[in-house]
Amino acid sequence: NAGVTQTPKFRVLKTGQSMTLLCAQDMNHEYMYWYRQDPGMGLRLIHYSVGEGTTAKGEVPDGYNVSRLKKQNFLLGLESAAPSQTSVYFCASRPTSGANEQYFGPGTRLTVT
Amino acid sequence: GENVEQHPSTLSVQEGDSAVIKCTYSDSASNYFPWYKQELGKRPQLIIDIRSNVGEKKDQRIAVTLNKTAKHFSLHITETQPEDSAVYFCAASIGSSASKIIFGSGTRLSIRP
Repeated sequence: NAGVTQTPKFRVLKTGQSMTLLCAQDMNHEYMYWYRQDPGMGLRLIHYSVGEGTTAKGEVPDGYNVSRLKKQNFLLGLESAAPSQTSVYFCASRPTSGANEQYFGPGTRLTVT
Repeated sequence: GENVEQHPSTLSVQEGDSAVIKCTYSDSASNYFPWYKQELGKRPQLIIDIRSNVGEKKDQRIAVTLNKTAKHFSLHITETQPEDSAVYFCAASIGSSASKIIFGSGTRLSIRP
C-alpha cells in the first residue's frame, strides 16, 4: 500500500495563477482532509470530506476550493494564488470518525511569488 | 469559536528528565484527542491518542491525561532521549460526529545532552 500520496511535492506559482493539488489514498478511507502548515501556527484545517461527493469548510477555507469526485481522491484548488498562500500543504485520510487515526501524506511545499 | 490552545511553544529539557505539554479545547462535544510528533521535513505521525471516556492512557514512556471538566489534556514524556526532539501537536475532534479535527499550534521539544 502506498498510503496517502500527494502531487506535486513542490511548486512555485506567480500571483494570480491557478493550480490543483492532488491527494490520493489507497486505504479505502471515508474521511479526507486538507491542512496548511505555517511556522508557529501548527496545522490549520482548510476543507474536509466525510465521503465521496461531500465537502465541508474548515478553519481557513477562503481562497481554496475542493472536490471529492472519487472516494480515493481529494483535490485542493487555488483559483488565483496569493503570496499569503505560501505554505506546506498536508493531506490526511481517516477510516471514519471516532478514535481513528489520521494518516498524513508527505506534504506539498507551495511558494507564491 | 472552536479552538485548541497548546503550551508551551518551545520546551528544552535535560536528557533523562520528563517533559509535559498542555492543551485546552473549547468544544464540550470533543471526544477524541490525538497527539502527533513531527520531525523536521517529515509528515506528522500519531504517537498516542485518548477518547473522552478514558482519563489516562500510557504507552511505554508516553502518557496522556484528560480532564473533561476543565477541557484540558496533557502529554507526558518520561526518561527523555535525544530522539524525542521534534515538534509535538495536540488535536481535538469537533462536534458530536467527530469528523472534524483541529490542531494546536505545536511545541518544539529539544532534549539537551
